[in-house]
Amino acid sequence: DQQVKQNSPSLSVQEGRISILNCDYTNSMFDYFLWYKKYPAEGPTFLISISSIKDKNEDGRFTVFLNKSAKHLSLHIVPSQPGDSAVYFCAASETGRRALTFGSGTRLQVQP
Amino acid sequence: DTAVSQTPKYLVTQMGNDKSIKCEQNLGHDTMYWYKQDSKKFLKIMFSYNNKELIINETVPNRFSPKSPDKAHLNLHINSLELGDSAVYFCASSPGPVGYGYTFGSGTRLTVV
Repeated sequence: DQQVKQNSPSLSVQEGRISILNCDYTNSMFDYFLWYKKYPAEGPTFLISISSIKDKNEDGRFTVFLNKSAKHLSLHIVPSQPGDSAVYFCAASETGRRALTFGSGTRLQVQP
Repeated sequence: DTAVSQTPKYLVTQMGNDKSIKCEQNLGHDTMYWYKQDSKKFLKIMFSYNNKELIINETVPNRFSPKSPDKAHLNLHINSLELGDSAVYFCASSPGPVGYGYTFGSGTRLTVV
């Protein structure tokens, strides 16, 4: 029972272009969403988050969009840089529960 | 100075053995977690402690026992290791509300042979 799904295991984009990573969820109780970035042999690092009361949050080159009716969120990286090459995890949480439910990740490769 | 440190980074052991993984955070966070990354790459919550009190205990075999001697430490002890326990185990901490995000350790790759 995967409550958070990242259906694209990998994505390859050219440097300077936009990267769009997608995430779908099934649990209507989720009200906070986060994106994490992970390099090999390291732990995930927090990237950006969004509350369910918003539909967009921006932080520099990173923007997260939330479509509650579709239970879908996406992470946009503009412009993409080779250093962005990593695995990106989508995660979600319910109010009052500090545990996160993670997707399986999308490996992003940015080609120079 | 590492914020969340786990030891060891790699652990290879035989079936039936008992092993421990240690975790320490120097961020002053109140809450600590253990996550397991399985072969399908999903990170799944195992346990969470808030100020030394167990607040989350997911469906995990009772061979797994967390111990929090103080709020800066959360150790994971595993008895009678099985092949299926092979995974990467991540420790994490957070200051409280999930919105601040977690800080993860670099993981412990456990291989049971």
